[in-house]
Amino acid sequence: TQLLEQSPQFLSIQEGENLTVYCNSSSVFSSLQWYRQEPGEGPVLLVTVVTGGEVKKLKRLTFQFGDARKDSSLHITAAQPGDTGLYLCAAGGYQKVTFGTGTKLQVIP
Amino acid sequence: GAGVSQSPSNKVTEKGKDVELRCDPISGHTALYWYRQRLGQGLEFLIYFQGNSAPDKSGLPSDRFSAERTGESVSTLTIQRTQQEDSAVYLCASSSWFGQPQHFGDGTRLSIL
Repeated sequence: TQLLEQSPQFLSIQEGENLTVYCNSSSVFSSLQWYRQEPGEGPVLLVTVVTGGEVKKLKRLTFQFGDARKDSSLHITAAQPGDTGLYLCAAGGYQKVTFGTGTKLQVIP
Repeated sequence: GAGVSQSPSNKVTEKGKDVELRCDPISGHTALYWYRQRLGQGLEFLIYFQGNSAPDKSGLPSDRFSAERTGESVSTLTIQRTQQEDSAVYLCASSSWFGQPQHFGDGTRLSIL
């Protein structure tokens, strides 16, 4: 069974602070996706990473795929209240898609 | 429509009743997925369709759950003889092909009294 463990589970920070969220597994993935989910809505795709060691930037968000393609991180610079939400990593396997356990982020103004 | 549409958005029913949840995927998307999300938790993968076929139904929680898809379009998730532990948000997503980035609907919030 593929498991995606995310850490931390909860994070409450002040506006302007930096943070990093991690997604780890013992399995190797061909690709990994990050989503953000706001209350009452479905998750929205942020990025897909495919190549080991790949780094992608989306404004203040930086995504990295581990060299061995078993882990990924999401770094947010100068967090804003609009970054508040549940961050989920996800990866596809044989006949199944696995989502991580999620990191709930709260950015306090 | 432009996005994934789910109906109803909210459903309250009594224990023991059957419920049917509907998902309209993005037009042209061949893969369709169903997830369950309990309050404050992550997503639990239930089943996916490639076209009208569901290759693996082992993710469905029990034999009270079933899903079908017709015309490579609309899908329904049916829960028979609902139990209180079935209370959750049921999310549907679609993608151009299995494993590609998914586009989610806003879910159906199911409450079993």
